[in-house]
Amino acid sequence: EVVLTQSPGTVSLSPGERATLSCRASQGVPNNYLAWYQQKPGQAPRLLIFGASSRATGIPDRISGGGSGTDFTLTISRLEPEDFAVYYCQQYGRSPYTFGQGTKLEIK
Amino acid sequence: EVQLVQSGAEVKEPGQSLKISCQGSGYSFTTYWIGWARQMPGKGLEWMGIIYPGNSDTRYNPSFEGQVTISADRSVSTAYLQWSSLKASDTAMYYCARRGGGISGSLGDDHWGQGTLVTVSS
Repeated sequence: EVVLTQSPGTVSLSPGERATLSCRASQGVPNNYLAWYQQKPGQAPRLLIFGASSRATGIPDRISGGGSGTDFTLTISRLEPEDFAVYYCQQYGRSPYTFGQGTKLEIK
Repeated sequence: EVQLVQSGAEVKEPGQSLKISCQGSGYSFTTYWIGWARQMPGKGLEWMGIIYPGNSDTRYNPSFEGQVTISADRSVSTAYLQWSSLKASDTAMYYCARRGGGISGSLGDDHWGQGTLVTVSS
């Protein structure tokens, strides 16, 4: 099983600042099939990034994904109020398709 | 418009059986994988399993295999998650999600249901 470890667990930032979230895999993710999701309280997750670096439909270009192999990042270049939420990475290259434990992005 | 609509909240007693559903519309139901994820109260997402309705190919997370059954009925464009004997520890929100990219599943979980809250209590 590919174990995904996200860091930090919680990050406190202000609107307008840059956020960098990390996701490390215990082994290489086949085809870099790594996705990022945003979840707000009481809502279903929403796909942001697939294939490590491709933005999903409707996702603004201030949100970007990078990395390959075992180390991946999600970057939000200029935080907007609606960006404060919990973020999950998921690898879907090898079953079971595991999630990371999540990073909470909170307003400072 | 692609939509996944899940069945409503359930309250059950330990030992009872349950089947919840996820109906897809706005796309070809048989040519996309549909997966299920659990979210226990205040916790993160856990991947449970996935099914390809076109040929019923099903894959489970070993942590859930034998505890739940995933199935699909192509005639009504609906995927199911079922338990034969619920436990209190099954109390959680359950989400279905479509895996984008057809049979390759290369585009991540691009559409999600609204979730079904399952409460198991005596």
